[in-house]
Amino acid sequence: GAGVSQSPSNKVTEKGKDVELRCDPISGHTALYWYRQSLGQGLEFLIYFQGNSAPDKSGLPSDRFSAERTGGSVSTLTIQRTQQEDSAVYLCASSRDRNNQPQHFGDGTRLSIL
Amino acid sequence: QQQVKQSPQSLIVQKGGISIINCAYENTAFDYFPWYQQFPGKGPALLIAIRPDVSEKKEGRFTISFNKSAKQFSLHIMDSQPGDSATYFCAYMDSNYQLIWGAGTKLIIKP
Repeated sequence: GAGVSQSPSNKVTEKGKDVELRCDPISGHTALYWYRQSLGQGLEFLIYFQGNSAPDKSGLPSDRFSAERTGGSVSTLTIQRTQQEDSAVYLCASSRDRNNQPQHFGDGTRLSIL
Repeated sequence: QQQVKQSPQSLIVQKGGISIINCAYENTAFDYFPWYQQFPGKGPALLIAIRPDVSEKKEGRFTISFNKSAKQFSLHIMDSQPGDSATYFCAYMDSNYQLIWGAGTKLIIKP
């Protein structure tokens, strides 16, 4: 596929469970971003990866959130001990590099915490 | 804290009318101002973008106007169509190459 792919598209889980969200960026894009979008709200930056550099984790809301990017391609966002306030759409985007926009977005994972 | 103020929060325009969305930023380090369009259930997609060396950029029915001294930029949609109904986000790139996003404007075009 030519676009950013995210899975699952929807995830429902119970409070306290761990969840993993996956992002497959556009081939050749070295920059990868995770955002959170609450219902009817704007985009909240979470974390940014650029090539093999250390990620910018400045947007992660708590230590329950973590992300990794293996081999400079696929990324996984993990939320441990989920809380109801974690319910949101999690969006992934990629770009050629951080100074080479635009960011291309996937359609997101809609996470619902019961 | 860096931020960009976007207005209005929601907007209803008659078909054929002009839709105008405004954004204002506070910081000084930036060189890229994109507008993204988002349909329900989809991720945002780049609509049009401008760099601060120009004051206006037009692509079809969409125009960005940029006022550097006032730290404001706006999106104009001419001859608005029902298919333009979506949520629009402005953003700017800060000195760390991070996009700072507005809160979004939900646009509804009435037939």
